[in-house]
Amino acid sequence: DAGVIQSPRHEVTEMGQEVTLRCKPISGHNSLFWYRQTMMRGLELLIYFNNNVPIDDSGMPEDRFSAKMPNASFSTLKIQPSEPRDSAVYFCASSRTSYEQYFGPGTRLTVT
Amino acid sequence: GQQVMQIPQYQHVQEGEDFTTYCNSSTTLSNIQWYKQRPGGHPVFLIQLVKSGEVKKQKRLTFQFGEAKKNSSLHITATQTTDVGTYFCSYSGAGSYQLTFGKGTKLSVIP
Repeated sequence: DAGVIQSPRHEVTEMGQEVTLRCKPISGHNSLFWYRQTMMRGLELLIYFNNNVPIDDSGMPEDRFSAKMPNASFSTLKIQPSEPRDSAVYFCASSRTSYEQYFGPGTRLTVT
Repeated sequence: GQQVMQIPQYQHVQEGEDFTTYCNSSTTLSNIQWYKQRPGGHPVFLIQLVKSGEVKKQKRLTFQFGEAKKNSSLHITATQTTDVGTYFCSYSGAGSYQLTFGKGTKLSVIP
C-alpha cells in the first residue's frame, strides 16, 4: 500500500495567488481529514469527509479556504487568494476507524 | 471547546534516561490516542486507550489512561536517539471521527 499521497510536497507562492493542494487517501478508507500545522497553533483540523461528504468544516479559517472530495480516491484543498499567514504544513489523513488516522507526508506551503 | 493540555512542552534527556509526557483534560474523555511525529515527518499512530486505568506497553513505551479518564501518560524507558520527535495525544468524542490534538511534547535525546 502506497499510503496517503499528497502533492505538491512544497509550494511557494506569492500573496494573492490561488493554491491547490491534492490528496489521494488509502484505498478502502472512508474518512478523509485535512489538517494545518504551525508552531503557534499546533495541529488543527480544517475539515473532514466521510464517504466523500463534508461532515464538519468548522475548522476552515475563512471563505478563502475550500475543500472538495469528488470521489473516494481524491480530495483537494484550495486557498484563494492566499495570504502570508496561510504559510504552514498541510496534512491530509485518511481512516477506516475513528482513531487510527494515516497521515500523508504533508505539503509545506510558503506564501510570500 | 474541550481541550487537552500536554506537559512538558519540551524535554531534553540524556540517552538512556527515562522520559514521561502527560496529557490532561478538565473533562472525562471517551478515549485517547498517542501519535509520534519525527522531525520533518508526519504524525504516526502509536496506540489508543479506552478503559479506565488501562495500561498498554509497546517495547520500551508504556501508555496509561487515568482511573477518572481525565489524563494519560506516555513513559519511555531508557531513551534512544530514535525516540526523538514530538509526541501528541488526541481524543475523539463518542461516535465521532474527529480527533482533537494536544500541542505535543517535543523530545530531544542527547547522545
